[in-house]
Amino acid sequence: DAKTTQPPSMDCAEGRAANLPCNHSTISGNEYVYWYRQIHSQGPQYIIHGLKNNETNEMASLIITEDRKSSTLILPHATLRDTAVYYCIVRVVETSGSRLTFGEGTQLTVNP
Amino acid sequence: EAQVTQNPRYLITVTGKKLTVTCSQNMNHEYMSWYRQDPGLGLRQIYYSMNVEVTDKGDVPEGYKVSRKEKRNFPLILESPSPNQTSLYFCASSLWRSTDTQYFGPGTRLTVL
Repeated sequence: DAKTTQPPSMDCAEGRAANLPCNHSTISGNEYVYWYRQIHSQGPQYIIHGLKNNETNEMASLIITEDRKSSTLILPHATLRDTAVYYCIVRVVETSGSRLTFGEGTQLTVNP
Repeated sequence: EAQVTQNPRYLITVTGKKLTVTCSQNMNHEYMSWYRQDPGLGLRQIYYSMNVEVTDKGDVPEGYKVSRKEKRNFPLILESPSPNQTSLYFCASSLWRSTDTQYFGPGTRLTVL
C-alpha cells in the first residue's frame, strides 16, 4: 500500500468546515483512497473512499487531486462529536483480503 | 442492527493463562480479521479469514491463534499470554468482493501482568 502523510493535529471551530489533507505521492493507478476515523479508542469507523473522482456521502466529501497524489476530506459542518483521529489509507482492492494499513492519522479537535 | 461484537471489553490477566476473545458479526460477511492497536504503532493486522475454515496470518501473528468454524464468529486465542500482548484489540468484518468497507467492533482492552 502507498504511504500516506497527514498532519498530526488540526483544530476546527464548531459549525465550520473541517478540511483534512492527505499526501499519497506514490499512489498507484489501482489504489483507492479510504478515510476512517476513530473516536477515543472506539473501533475505527468508515467514512468514505474514492479512486479518482470526487465523492460525497452523508458524512463527508472526498476531493482527490487530478494527479491523485493528494486528497482532502471535508466535513462540511463540524460538530463536537467529530473530534477524533482521522486516518487516510491508500490500498488496492484485492481478492485476497482486506488489510488496512493505518498510519498515525490526524487528531481533529472541534472547538465550541 | 448491523454490528460486530467483542467480548470481553476489558480483561486483566496474568502471564501464561490461556484466554479467548470472542468476535461475532451479524452481517453475513465472509471476511473477518483481528487488529491490535498500540501507541506509536497504529493498528496492525494479526490474522484474517476469508471464509469458514480459511485463515491466514497478518502482520503480527506470533503468539496468537484464530479459528473460523462458523461464518459469524472469529475468536482470537492467546494460548500463553505475555506482557507484550497488552494492547487494544479490534475485530473487523467486511464483504469479500466489495470495495471492502470494514466494520470494526468496539475493542477489547487486554492487560497481561
